[in-house]
Amino acid sequence: TQLLEQSPQFLSIQEGENLTVYCNSSSVFSSLQWYRQEPGEGPVLLVTVVTGGEVKKLKRLTFQFGDARKDSSLHITAAQPGDTGLYLCAGAVFYGQNFVFGPGTRLSVLP
Amino acid sequence: GAVVSQHPSRVICKSGTSVKIECRSLDFQATTMFWYRQFPKQSLMLMATSNEGSKATYEQGVEKDKFLINHASLTLSTLTVTSAHPEDSSFYICSARDGVGGYTFGSGTRLTVV
Repeated sequence: TQLLEQSPQFLSIQEGENLTVYCNSSSVFSSLQWYRQEPGEGPVLLVTVVTGGEVKKLKRLTFQFGDARKDSSLHITAAQPGDTGLYLCAGAVFYGQNFVFGPGTRLSVLP
Repeated sequence: GAVVSQHPSRVICKSGTSVKIECRSLDFQATTMFWYRQFPKQSLMLMATSNEGSKATYEQGVEKDKFLINHASLTLSTLTVTSAHPEDSSFYICSARDGVGGYTFGSGTRLTVV
């Protein structure tokens, strides 16, 4: 069983649409990270959240950490083709512990 | 920021031969590096955790004699795929903790065994 679940698994939308992807677990995390991986490349860290209820914004991307620190969401406003990629969440239960990666959401933004 | 260099980016080898993949942390020391395998349109699968100066820790189901890992210095870990077969064809990625809480990934190695 996966420690982290991500939904949806696949998402295909038109340029300009908004979308939200989710990362859920039954475990409480000390910190959670989101990565984006473009085809043929390694993942790149987008954000780290550590406080329950925390909201962070990165241009058109809004990240939220659930109050109970068991889940997180990533909202993209006005998606662009350049947002296409695999979005991975990763969490650590204890501080300093190695992060566990979720299965990812594969996003395709069509022009 | 932290940079991890992975080499080669692509390699094609004959079945039965061995291939070595290098992962270097360029501007930081990494006592621990991680090796992942990724099949097309799938997520990362952790293969092993590479520890400088000691034996690697392999995930369940990963053959340690087939995927040899060496982490001889604080900036270099290598993964050798021994006696490669077509089913070993995949995208292999390394990463390292960058000291500020995140993982810095290499750009990956596309291995094709023919």
